[in-house]
Amino acid sequence: GAVVSQHPSWVICKSGTSVKIECRSLDFQATTMFWYRQFPKQSLMLMATSNEGSKATYEQGVEKDKFLINHASLTLSTLTVTSAHPEDSSFYICSAIPDKNQPQHFGDGTRLSIL
Amino acid sequence: AQRVTQPEKLLSVFKGAPVELKCNYSYSGSPELFWYVQYSRQRLQLLLRHISRESIKGFTADLNKGETSFHLKKPFAQEEDSAMYYCALSGSARQLTFGSGTQLTVLP
Repeated sequence: GAVVSQHPSWVICKSGTSVKIECRSLDFQATTMFWYRQFPKQSLMLMATSNEGSKATYEQGVEKDKFLINHASLTLSTLTVTSAHPEDSSFYICSAIPDKNQPQHFGDGTRLSIL
Repeated sequence: AQRVTQPEKLLSVFKGAPVELKCNYSYSGSPELFWYVQYSRQRLQLLLRHISRESIKGFTADLNKGETSFHLKKPFAQEEDSAMYYCALSGSARQLTFGSGTQLTVLP
């Protein structure tokens, strides 16, 4: 149980395009989901905490208008990279917590490549 | 501020040898510590959490509050243990702060 699914797994697009990444909890409800970014050969860095029915909480240095997060239901959070540029190319990973006593469960990640 | 330090980027051991992956943390409250593992081309998976005190795949980790460490150990490494290992800390907000990771290679 406790499966987190991300879609798409890989996306390539032109500079200036907006890209939406979905994160779904398949067999549980998650009031809180997390979005991470991972550059090659580096660790995961928390970008934001996505809260169902309310605004996301962004980490220092993460542009809210650049990375739009919507958590409209208890099983879905989306991350939209607006007007993406090559420097936004990275691996984006989401996670969710099934309940308060459980650890975070991670999605497979989305590799974003901006040309 | 919370911080996790994994001093070794790369670690190689021979099959059957003991292995220890180091992790030190900095946190002002009572943290929860985790070890996550990422095998090649797979998602990040939970290996251990300190509150459960379990041994998974032969790995153990003890939280040492005096030394602020949570080192991961296994007495006899196997080739299938080769992977990227991340130590992580969770504070009151349930957010995870990850260390930089250690790439473990177990040689035949």
